Amino acid sequence: DTEVTQTPKHLVMGMTNKKSLKCEQHMGHRAMYWYKQKAKKPPELMFVYSYEKLSINESVPSRFSPECPNSSLLNLHLHALQPEDSALYLCASSQDPRAHTEAFFGQGTRLTVV
Amino acid sequence: AQRVTQPEKLLSVFKGAPVELKCNYSYSGSPELFWYVQYSRQRLQLLLRHISRESIKGFTADLNKGETSFHLKKPFAQEEDSAMYYCALSGLGETGANNLFFGTGTRLTVIP
Repeated sequence: DTEVTQTPKHLVMGMTNKKSLKCEQHMGHRAMYWYKQKAKKPPELMFVYSYEKLSINESVPSRFSPECPNSSLLNLHLHALQPEDSALYLCASSQDPRAHTEAFFGQGTRLTVV
Repeated sequence: AQRVTQPEKLLSVFKGAPVELKCNYSYSGSPELFWYVQYSRQRLQLLLRHISRESIKGFTADLNKGETSFHLKKPFAQEEDSAMYYCALSGLGETGANNLFFGTGTRLTVIP
């Protein structure tokens, strides 16, 4: 299995809702990432997990809360989001957090906040 | 701080013509440079990386440290090359973990 799988593919949520995005990989990768991509913009790094520990938080608001339950799973918990948080959220993984290895991306979750 | 610049948002070439997508970077350490591609309705995927020095789908890219550039080239463009291309820089952050930062992207359209 050489894919990164993200669920759901689409999500519409209200500003008072709590929801979670899920990401899964079974390639034995030890680095996992969350990116946010707005329309016609490049992906922006949000979080990096290295060996299941949060190593980078790129000044992301606390209404986004990442979680890495094990080496194969990555969650992004959402609470009290704003309409400007609507975007494509991409998960990625790479083999070795301390080396410049290829990142594999999921198809993304398209989030709409209403 | 790291930065990746792709000066062209849009690039159109005719089929069979040469194509060059420009990328410049700034980074205080020794970076690794990548080109990622996103075809219509497909996920972002790696096209090539500078360290492998290989040609993928006819594309090549040479790292020029003097000019801090990593331009992507192909001698004869094909219609299936139409896609969004991102230059990306990988650098080790303060925590020792790998950061991957993207340029703003160039949308290539190959005209039949």
